[in-house]
Amino acid sequence: AQSVTQLGSHVSVSEGALVLLRCNYSSSVPPYLFWYVQYPNQGLQLLLKYTSAATLVKGINGFEAEFKKSETSFHLTKPSAHMSDAAEYFCAVSGGSGNTGKLIFGQGTTLQVKP
Amino acid sequence: KAGVTQTPRYLIKTRGQQVTLSCSPISGHRSVSWYQQTPGQGLQFLFEYFSETQRNKGNFPGRFSGRQFSNSRSEMNVSTLELGDSALYLCASSYGTANMNTEAFFGQGTRLTVV
Repeated sequence: AQSVTQLGSHVSVSEGALVLLRCNYSSSVPPYLFWYVQYPNQGLQLLLKYTSAATLVKGINGFEAEFKKSETSFHLTKPSAHMSDAAEYFCAVSGGSGNTGKLIFGQGTTLQVKP
Repeated sequence: KAGVTQTPRYLIKTRGQQVTLSCSPISGHRSVSWYQQTPGQGLQFLFEYFSETQRNKGNFPGRFSGRQFSNSRSEMNVSTLELGDSALYLCASSYGTANMNTEAFFGQGTRLTVV
């Protein structure tokens, strides 16, 4: 069964600093992985997705993530944090064959950006 | 292209009542999935509909039900509301094809408060 673990429920960085949000997955089949962002009282916005075409995936707003099969990880990074990046971030994996339309989410990581 | 539209945005209901939430997917999308988001349990999958048929279901009691219409719009219903049903309910639409990496686009959510 697929599962996702996000390490760190809260991450705080200074504006301009590197952002690193950690995600580890468990999957019995080649996974399809996603990062979503959620601003207060809003829905989820897709940042990027892993499609197995390339291990380094670039997304919107300067974010990228690297798929590492050996480490079962899909960490999200951004070289320089901006105040507008403050939000909650979710890593998700598709539910796998026979589990259509289902995303399995991690518990989320709240990113705080200090001026 | 218009995004996923959920109505209403906010609802306050009394214990024991029932509620119906609506979701209009992105034009051309045939799959609609529903999620419940709470601080304690995070994002949990409720069910998915594709071409008016429920294709997948999460681990929620029978009080939670849904349906999909021929235009792909979907409704979910919760009967005999409990205080614990207070949550943000999110719907997501996608093409729903066999390709499991098809990304899901989320609506703004409906905030349900049960008093």
